[in-house]
Amino acid sequence: DQQVKQNSPSLSVQEGRISILNCDYTNSMFDYFLWYKKYPAEGPTFLISISSIKDKNEDGRFTVFLNKSAKHLSLHIVPSQPGDSAVYFCAATQTGANNLFFGTGTRLTVIP
Amino acid sequence: KAGVTQTPRYLIKTRGQQVTLSCSPISGHRSVSWYQQTPGQGLQFLFEYFSETQRNKGNFPGRFSGRQFSNSRSEMNVSTLELGDSALYLCASSLPVGASSTQYFGPGTRLTVL
Repeated sequence: DQQVKQNSPSLSVQEGRISILNCDYTNSMFDYFLWYKKYPAEGPTFLISISSIKDKNEDGRFTVFLNKSAKHLSLHIVPSQPGDSAVYFCAATQTGANNLFFGTGTRLTVIP
Repeated sequence: KAGVTQTPRYLIKTRGQQVTLSCSPISGHRSVSWYQQTPGQGLQFLFEYFSETQRNKGNFPGRFSGRQFSNSRSEMNVSTLELGDSALYLCASSLPVGASSTQYFGPGTRLTVL
C-alpha cells in the first residue's frame, strides 16, 4: 500500500528552465512533508520541507507547494542546473513521528 | 558539524549468516531511524530509536532488530540472512522535538547476501 506516490519516474529539463516534480499522498494524517535528493549509492540529502499549516515554502532555487485538499505537493526548481540531475524523493510523516513514508522517486535530468 | 556516519559501507554475507550495521548520528541528535532501500520496494522504514528505546517500528520481520546506546549511536542487526535482504541500509538522525523534525541521512551500508 503505497501511501506516497510519485507518478513520473523521470523528467528531462533544459538548463535554466523550471523543473516541476510532483507527489501525491493518500493518508490524510500526514502533516509534514519533505523532499530529498539522492545520488546512487549515497544517502538522501535533505532539500526542503513544509508543514501542513503552510501552502508554500521557499529556499533559494527550491520551492515546495502543498495542496492539502488535493493531497498533492510539488517541488519547483528554478533555474534548473546540470548539478540538479539526481533522483528526487518526496516523503511524508505525522507530527511527532519519525517514520518517513517515501515515494518511489523521480529521476531528474537537466540538459546543458 | 560532522554528518551521520555508517559503518561498514559495504558488506558481503551468505544466506543464514547474521550481520550488524552501525550508525553514529549527528552530534546532539538523539533520534536514530533506519531504512531499507531496494529496487523493488523503494525506501522503507525499519525502526526508530530514541533514548535507547524503540519508539516506532515498520513492517519487517523479527529478524530485523536494533538498539541504541547511551551516546545515541545505534546498531541494526539482521539474523538468518535471506537473499532478499540485499539492500542499501540507511540510517537517519534527527532532533526529537515535539513537532516533526528533519531527518538527515548517512551514506548507507550496501549489504549483499549471496
